[in-house]
Amino acid sequence: NAGVTQTPKFRVLKTGQSMTLLCAQDMNHEYMYWYRQDPGMGLRLIHYSVGEGTTAKGEVPDGYNVSRLKKQNFLLGLESAAPSQTSVYFCASIRGGTDTQYFGPGTRLTVL
Amino acid sequence: GNSVTQMEGPVTLSEEAFLTINCTYTATGYPSLFWYVQYPGEGLQLLLKATKADDKGSNKGFEATYRKETTSFHLEKGSVQVSDSAVYFCALILNTGGFKTIFGAGTRLFVKA
Repeated sequence: NAGVTQTPKFRVLKTGQSMTLLCAQDMNHEYMYWYRQDPGMGLRLIHYSVGEGTTAKGEVPDGYNVSRLKKQNFLLGLESAAPSQTSVYFCASIRGGTDTQYFGPGTRLTVL
Repeated sequence: GNSVTQMEGPVTLSEEAFLTINCTYTATGYPSLFWYVQYPGEGLQLLLKATKADDKGSNKGFEATYRKETTSFHLEKGSVQVSDSAVYFCALILNTGGFKTIFGAGTRLFVKA
């Protein structure tokens, strides 16, 4: 199993550009999450999904949208990137009935 | 609200020193508690966990005990190695729809040879 993978690993955007981050997991997990990690702030939950076709807002959802059309994929979109969205983004998943998260390797995004 | 507070870093130790990283939490109900570790350039990975009061989680020489009376889950290791240099995150999970995890800010550990 590849576990949780994220695409791309690095990206530089200009203010106002859009992009989509892809998270894929091959473990048949029900729950999926998007976090951002900023220095001194730990991980903050952006959006999450409890199953295919469902999404919900986390702690810091503004400026982001998500979709989970397939159980194995969870997409994070930035419609109009801002410098405040410069961060490292992590995807994670949890198998139903358990509580341990499995994390992807992260995407480092810089918005100029 | 629900929160996790852990000691600020960085923590710098010499090899074979004793490690303690403090973690306290505030939560409604009875959360499960975790320590995750993040090595440079990687995502977080589970180090250990405890699911109820007085449980002790352990892995790779690290230990932490779920103390309900003090709402704490301090991480300890008797003898650290250079390879333990990483960022350590304390976290709790609430089984209230969505299994949302709340993380502490992280504590960076440097171990010198």
